[in-house]
Amino acid sequence: KQEVTQIPAALSVPEGENLVLNCSFTDSAIYNLQWFRQDPGKGLTSLLLIQSSQREQTSGRLNASLDKSSGRSTLYIAASQPGDSATYLCAVSGYGGSQGNLIFGKGTKLSVKP
Amino acid sequence: GAVVSQHPSRVICKSGTSVKIECRSLDFQATTMFWYRQFPKQSLMLMATSNEGSKATYEQGVEKDKFLINHASLTLSTLTVTSAHPEDSSFYICSADDNTYEQYFGPGTRLTVT
Repeated sequence: KQEVTQIPAALSVPEGENLVLNCSFTDSAIYNLQWFRQDPGKGLTSLLLIQSSQREQTSGRLNASLDKSSGRSTLYIAASQPGDSATYLCAVSGYGGSQGNLIFGKGTKLSVKP
Repeated sequence: GAVVSQHPSRVICKSGTSVKIECRSLDFQATTMFWYRQFPKQSLMLMATSNEGSKATYEQGVEKDKFLINHASLTLSTLTVTSAHPEDSSFYICSADDNTYEQYFGPGTRLTVT
């Protein structure tokens, strides 16, 4: 059974710092991996999607990497801002041949202090 | 970008009543929609996969007679929580697949059963 783990569960940093969020998954047979942002009481905003054949994706200050063989992904946030404060979720799809189903981690709650 | 809406955003109901939640893809057709449930401080858990014009596929442990899913058109799926109980109180989120296997999430519905 696919399991997704995110470390750390919570992170507090001062504004301007670069930071890395970690995600690991137990079964490397994935179709893709997505990073999402969730604000309190809100839905999900997709940040980056990495196909299984890709190693990284970049969008603005965000960079996500994927090492499928080791079952790991990282989300790098450069020059963090208070507006980046949210819970970041990692999810993988494709386990068991079902390309659409997403398996989520519990998330990392990020707080960026001004 | 692809937009998914949910209605209502919040609902409070009495134990024993039924509640219907709508999920709409506003600017694309979604042959597949997904329903997730998120308890406090937990990750999103897939409840069921909804395919337009056919019966939904439920995940293990999800009662199909309690959580009725209808996907009558390519832009609308509904989740009806029948005979709701306090333990059904949760955050329900839908997502829609635009046939590229990237899912777009709705803003969620907070259900409170008293």
